[in-house]
Amino acid sequence: AQSVTQLDSQVPVFEEAPVELRCNYSSSVSVYLFWYVQYPNQGLQLLLKYLSGSTLVKGINGFEAEFNKSQTSFHLRKPSVHISDTAEYFCAVSLPRGYQKVTFGTGTKLQVIP
Amino acid sequence: NAGVTQTPKFQVLKTGQSMTLQCAQDMNHEYMSWYRQDPGMGLRLIHYSVGAGITDQGEVPNGYNVSRSTTEDFPLRLLSAAPSQTSVYFCASRLRVGNEQFFGPGTRLTVL
Repeated sequence: AQSVTQLDSQVPVFEEAPVELRCNYSSSVSVYLFWYVQYPNQGLQLLLKYLSGSTLVKGINGFEAEFNKSQTSFHLRKPSVHISDTAEYFCAVSLPRGYQKVTFGTGTKLQVIP
Repeated sequence: NAGVTQTPKFQVLKTGQSMTLQCAQDMNHEYMSWYRQDPGMGLRLIHYSVGAGITDQGEVPNGYNVSRSTTEDFPLRLLSAAPSQTSVYFCASRLRVGNEQFFGPGTRLTVL
């Protein structure tokens, strides 16, 4: 079964500084990878996804992620964060066949400091 | 489109009571899921459905029942509420594998 690990539970960063949120996955076969964002008291919404092709994936709100198969990683990056990026970020994985279940990581809370 | 809707938004139950959390989507999605979110544990899958009449268990199904009589609706039933079921519950839907999951606004449940 596939799994995903987000080692950082909280990441504080100053406004306009770059940020990287780490995600590692475990699977014996190819996977689909996702990053979701959850703003306070809201549901989750998709930031970006990797299905195949280019390993650098661009998403909404200036975020991007790079799929690294050899390191089984899918880290999320933004070159300059804004106060409005304060939220919890979830990495998720699923298998690319049928109606496969999506497995979520434990989340990383990004706190942007003014 | 309303997307994914959930009712109620908040609920307080006493131990042993039963209730149903409602979830509906108007996007004609085949795949629907229920998750619970607890601090430090991310989202854990309770039950999911790949179409009307088809449901299956996720990671944490004990104490919960589901049914899927229509494409639109996927209610979650708590049979006999326990304090361990205090959580935020999210319903989600998607068209097929690889597609974006759309989440409802959540139901915050407290069991006393």
